[in-house]
Amino acid sequence: QKEVEQDPGPLSVPEGAIVSLNCTYSNSAFQYFMWYRQYSRKGPELLMYTYSSGNKEDGRFTAQVDKSSKYISLFIRDSQPSDSATYLCAMRRNGDYKLSFGAGTTVTVRA
Amino acid sequence: DAGVIQSPRHEVTEMGQEVTLRCKPISGHNSLFWYRQTMMRGLELLIYFNNNVPIDDSGMPEDRFSAKMPNASFSTLKIQPSEPRDSAVYFCASTLEGAGELFFGEGSRLTVL
Repeated sequence: QKEVEQDPGPLSVPEGAIVSLNCTYSNSAFQYFMWYRQYSRKGPELLMYTYSSGNKEDGRFTAQVDKSSKYISLFIRDSQPSDSATYLCAMRRNGDYKLSFGAGTTVTVRA
Repeated sequence: DAGVIQSPRHEVTEMGQEVTLRCKPISGHNSLFWYRQTMMRGLELLIYFNNNVPIDDSGMPEDRFSAKMPNASFSTLKIQPSEPRDSAVYFCASTLEGAGELFFGEGSRLTVL
C-alpha cells in the first residue's frame, strides 16, 4: 500500500463547477500538507501549503486537512478552463526534506 | 528571477548510450533534488543535495545512475548505459532550506529507444 493515495481520475467538469480533490495517507507523522499544480509539459508548482489540521483559503482555492482521518482535500470554486491541470498532493514530516507525493489527479474544466 | 533551469528539455537516445541531464538551481538555494516522473510510479525522489553534498541517494535506481553537484549553481544526473525503462521525465528542484518550498524546473523528457 502506498503511503499517499490519490485517485488519478481523470476528472472532467463544466466551467464554473466546484472541483473536489482528495488524498488519504497512512503516516500519522506527516505535519505539512501541500497541493501542487502541474500543467502539461511543465514542472509542478506549489499551489497551497497547510500545516497540521484545519482549513486554508486562497482566492478560489480551499485546502482542508483532517489529521484524525488522515485525509486532505482541495476545493476549487468557480473553476475555469485555465485550472485544467494535474493536481498532486504532497506531505512531509516536520523538518524532513523528503516529500511523499500522491499520484496526481488530472482535471479538465470544459468551457 | 530565473527559476530552476534544466537542459535538455527533450532527449531521445538509443539503448546503451550515455545521457547527461543538467540543472541550474535558483540562486541562493542550498538544497537540490532530482526527481523522476512516470505514469506508473509518479514522482520519485532520486537524490538530495544540501550545500553541494549528496545527503540521500537511496532513490537512485542502480549503479547506472550517478549525480554530481560540483558547485552551488550546477548539477548533473548521468545515466550510463541508458535502458528503455529509464524513459521518463526527470525534474530538478531547489529550495532555500531542505524542508522549504520546492521550486521545480520544467523537466527533461528522456526517451530511450
